[in-house]
Amino acid sequence: AQSVSQHNHHVILSEAASLELGCNYSYGGTVNLFWYVQYPGQHLQLLLKYFSGDPLVKGIKGFEAEFIKSKFSFNLRKPSVQWSDTAEYFCAVNGPGSARQLTFGSGTQLTVLP
Amino acid sequence: DAGITQSPRHKVTETGTPVTLRCHQTENHRYMYWYRQDPGHGLRLIHYSYGVKDTDKGEVSDGYSVSRSKTEDFLLTLESATSSQTSVYFCAINLGTGAPGNTIYFGEGSWLTVV
Repeated sequence: AQSVSQHNHHVILSEAASLELGCNYSYGGTVNLFWYVQYPGQHLQLLLKYFSGDPLVKGIKGFEAEFIKSKFSFNLRKPSVQWSDTAEYFCAVNGPGSARQLTFGSGTQLTVLP
Repeated sequence: DAGITQSPRHKVTETGTPVTLRCHQTENHRYMYWYRQDPGHGLRLIHYSYGVKDTDKGEVSDGYSVSRSKTEDFLLTLESATSSQTSVYFCAINLGTGAPGNTIYFGEGSWLTVV
């Protein structure tokens, strides 16, 4: 079975600081990777996704993520965070045989201080 | 907007009562899912459907049943609600038709409180 680990449960940053949120997954085969964001009281929105090709993927709102197969990682980055980035961030994986469902990490709450 | 509507959006119910949550999509996407979200657990799959009358269990299916009699509707039923089922429930659809990895989009959620 697949599993996803997000080691940072709560991250607090000041505006303009750089962000990196860790995500590691357990499945050893071909995977598709996603980052979702959930603003307070809202549903999950897709930030970015990796299916194949360039391991550095760019998403919306200035976010990017790098897939490192050898480390089973898909870390989310942003060079300079804003107060409006305060939200919860979820990493998810979808692999073969998983009936097209997603397995999620437990989430990282990001708080950006003005 | 992936055209997903969940109802009700908020509900308070008593322990032991049945509850049905509805997910409606405006397009004919084949795959639909029900997830629950709880603090510290992220989102966990309850049930999913890969077509009319075709459903299967997810990670946390105990206490839940689903039905899909039409492509556009996917119903989640709590036969006898318990306090442990207090949660936020998200319906999701897979916009793709082919290999795994097609992008999944979520509805706005249904907040259920069991008292």
